[in-house]
Amino acid sequence: QVTLRESGPALVKPTQTLTLTCTFSGFSLSTSGMCVSWIRQPPGKALEWLARIDWDDDKYYSTSLETRLTISKDTSKNQVILTMTNMDPVDTGTYFCARYTGVGALDYWGQGTLVTVSS
Amino acid sequence: DIQMTQSPSTLSTSVGDRVTITCRASQTISSWLAWYQQKPGRAPKLLINKASSLQSGVPSRFSGSGSGTEFTLTISSLQPEDFATYYCQQYNTYPYTFGQGTQLEIK
Repeated sequence: QVTLRESGPALVKPTQTLTLTCTFSGFSLSTSGMCVSWIRQPPGKALEWLARIDWDDDKYYSTSLETRLTISKDTSKNQVILTMTNMDPVDTGTYFCARYTGVGALDYWGQGTLVTVSS
Repeated sequence: DIQMTQSPSTLSTSVGDRVTITCRASQTISSWLAWYQQKPGRAPKLLINKASSLQSGVPSRFSGSGSGTEFTLTISSLQPEDFATYYCQQYNTYPYTFGQGTQLEIK
């Protein structure tokens, strides 16, 4: 059974760095073809793809956010970490992690974690 | 970046209706398109991958078609549990991008 769960602070101040952790089970990020993506959703708005990390440590980022994002993995802990620097109130939203298997798109999602950026 | 445009943005519809949602890509994405359903306060759920492949466990009233730049999601007979927001996503070219969503409302 595949599960993913996001964790991190619910509130961050402007200019701070956000660190989110995706802890997963039911698959391994050392298995060829396995990947994990981060996606976010501002309140009442559409989904926005942020980043992806692959089993071979290849990494891909949103064009508009790539200077602020870093994605990494700890295979031994079954975790993927996303950091986003210089947080702003417009970054407020629910952050999801999801598994990606190529052909299968984003087939399993975490429940999401709401991050509010406010002083 | 590839832009994904969904139409309509909102659709007022009734139980039993046949519903079609369109998604257009700003450049060709072959068949690397997925459809997701999202209900309020919930994570998106994958319905269809590779444009027309139904995800396991998804009812057969959902179907997808298209390739290149034009895609459709069809619900053959709308059920009460189908009132939700639907998103398309291309995963042909980085960065992967989503459409703006189509909200199905009860007429």
